Amino acid sequence: EAGVTQFPSHSVIEKGQTVTLRCDPISGHDNLYWYRRVMGKEIKFLLHFVKESKQDESGMPNNRFLAERTGGTYSTLKVQPAELEDSGVYFCASSPGQRSYNEQFFGPGTRLTVL
Amino acid sequence: TQLLEQSPQFLSIQEGENLTVYCNSSSVFSSLQWYRQEPGEGPVLLVTVVTGGEVKKLKRLTFQFGDARKDSSLHITAAQPGDTGLYLCAGVNGNTPLVFGKGTRLSVIA
Repeated sequence: EAGVTQFPSHSVIEKGQTVTLRCDPISGHDNLYWYRRVMGKEIKFLLHFVKESKQDESGMPNNRFLAERTGGTYSTLKVQPAELEDSGVYFCASSPGQRSYNEQFFGPGTRLTVL
Repeated sequence: TQLLEQSPQFLSIQEGENLTVYCNSSSVFSSLQWYRQEPGEGPVLLVTVVTGGEVKKLKRLTFQFGDARKDSSLHITAAQPGDTGLYLCAGVNGNTPLVFGKGTRLSVIA
């Protein structure tokens, strides 16, 4: 069974540009999460989808971040326009069923560098 | 805001030594998870401890949840180079988002 995949693995962009990160969860997992780790800090929650609906987006930093999960399969996280402080590693995770905060399976992350 | 403090931040030991890493909070959690992360990969769940005072063993790794469910420890016996990695604890409270510590970066030298 394929794990959680993320694309791209690395992205280097300039301040003001737009970047879209993609996450493909494990097939059949209704729950999909986005997290971010800024250098020197802990991994922080951004948002949680249940199927195509946003269950909790309390961790989204500001309105420059837009997450979608059309059709309840893969998800995208767009940053527009990117700022220097958006640099970090963005992780996606998925989990099955109703016990949403247990047994999360993480992808390898996308390392975003904003210059 | 719930915070998890992990210590030490970095640990470098020789193969065969024992070690303990700690995860502490002033908040109570319903359960606590330990993850291990290797370079270029995402965190992988090792164990979830649920009951205060609970002890779980995973081969040479022993995980303990504090009686008050505010702290946890991970003890590794006879560390091996394959144990090298970043160890993360994460607190769980119902359906609220996971709260992660910053991690302990372990290096086991052969």
